[in-house]
Amino acid sequence: AQRVTQPEKLLSVFKGAPVELKCNYSYSGSPELFWYVQYSRQRLQLLLRHISRESIKGFTADLNKGETSFHLKKPFAQEEDSAMYYCAPTFNSNAGGTSYGKLTFGQGTILTVHP
Amino acid sequence: SAVISQKPSRDICQRGTSLTIQCQVDSQVTMMFWYRQQPGQSLTLIATANQGSEATYESGFVIDKFPISRPNLTFSTLTVSNMSPEDSSIYLCSVGSEKLFFGSGTQLSVL
Repeated sequence: AQRVTQPEKLLSVFKGAPVELKCNYSYSGSPELFWYVQYSRQRLQLLLRHISRESIKGFTADLNKGETSFHLKKPFAQEEDSAMYYCAPTFNSNAGGTSYGKLTFGQGTILTVHP
Repeated sequence: SAVISQKPSRDICQRGTSLTIQCQVDSQVTMMFWYRQQPGQSLTLIATANQGSEATYESGFVIDKFPISRPNLTFSTLTVSNMSPEDSSIYLCSVGSEKLFFGSGTQLSVL
């Protein structure tokens, strides 16, 4: 079965500390993986995609196919990083196809960065 | 990017009634998606709305309960029919392909 797991519902760190938000998925194929973020009183928005291999706001995420993980990392957390973070893979529904809009969201992790 | 206007932003409804949620996009899009977020839960895809064809529903969601209209490439509605307290959720519309843009959501409370 296709499944995504974010094991930590809450994560608290102090400003300047490294942070890692965990995401594991269960899927026999090759999913497209995304991290979405929702800041307080704002809309859900894309943070980064694994195929872009980009760093957004200091965050990076590496796809580990062996461990089926896509953990989100930042070496030095900032107070403005406090938000809800969702790992969201897209599982291919057709052979060779990708359903980009059909995301499967994890339970989300609330990150709090203390001053 | 896409700007999505969703309304109402919130509503309190009586059991057995229906509510229609509107989603307006500032550009033409092929597919629109409707998600639900129940209290304390993650987002779950309800259906995909394509212009000119019937919506495609995900497992556990049916057209009779969540009828969707998609009259043109910039607009869609989701109706929550014959509501019960279990329908109390945030409903979100979104558009995009490789990158999804989300509306601000409709917070529905059913008494």
